[in-house]
Amino acid sequence: EADIYQTPRYLVIGTGKKITLECSQTMGHDKMYWYQQDPGMELHLIHYSYGVNSTEKGDLSSESTVSRIRTEHFPLTLESARPSHTSQYLCASSEDRGRGYTFGSGTRLTVV
Amino acid sequence: GQQVMQIPQYQHVQEGEDFTTYCNSSTTLSNIQWYKQRPGGHPVFLIQLVKSGEVKKQKRLTFQFGEAKKNSSLHITATQTTDVGTYFCAGHQYNNNDMRFGAGTRLTVKP
Repeated sequence: EADIYQTPRYLVIGTGKKITLECSQTMGHDKMYWYQQDPGMELHLIHYSYGVNSTEKGDLSSESTVSRIRTEHFPLTLESARPSHTSQYLCASSEDRGRGYTFGSGTRLTVV
Repeated sequence: GQQVMQIPQYQHVQEGEDFTTYCNSSTTLSNIQWYKQRPGGHPVFLIQLVKSGEVKKQKRLTFQFGEAKKNSSLHITATQTTDVGTYFCAGHQYNNNDMRFGAGTRLTVKP
């Protein structure tokens, strides 16, 4: 079944560690997105990609980076985690402009 | 740049009462989408509106897109406890791929 997967589901990590949040989709969507969201609050766009080798920064200033080497894979990396990075990270994909986004289940990150 | 404002931020209703959330954009939108996020879950796409003045229904949910394509509303008739969650609107601008989410309206329903 076509879907979008995020791993890990939960992560607790120490300050200063490097982490990569994984996102993969099996729908062949060109467009993929990363959002940061505190529980029940506003969605903040941090990175997006419109295709392979295409990545852009979103509205929220973030110390993260992304890559898009394959259509189905859009990982997010934090080089040095800080407590301020504690949040939920949601990955999404869409088929085309004007189509609904499909969201993954999210990664709940806690930096201690 | 484009801003999408959503009100109210919170709404608490008694089960059986109606509920409405409103979305307003500073610029004309090419389309607007609505999402529902259950507590602890992720946003789930509900519907997209494209035409000026468009009205769409999904069971007890009614979605409207304003004539000027700058505002939209979601109305739930006779709320149920299963309607609990945060409802987000998201608008697409013309001539670019930029889609902006509103801040969401968190609905709680008292049985």
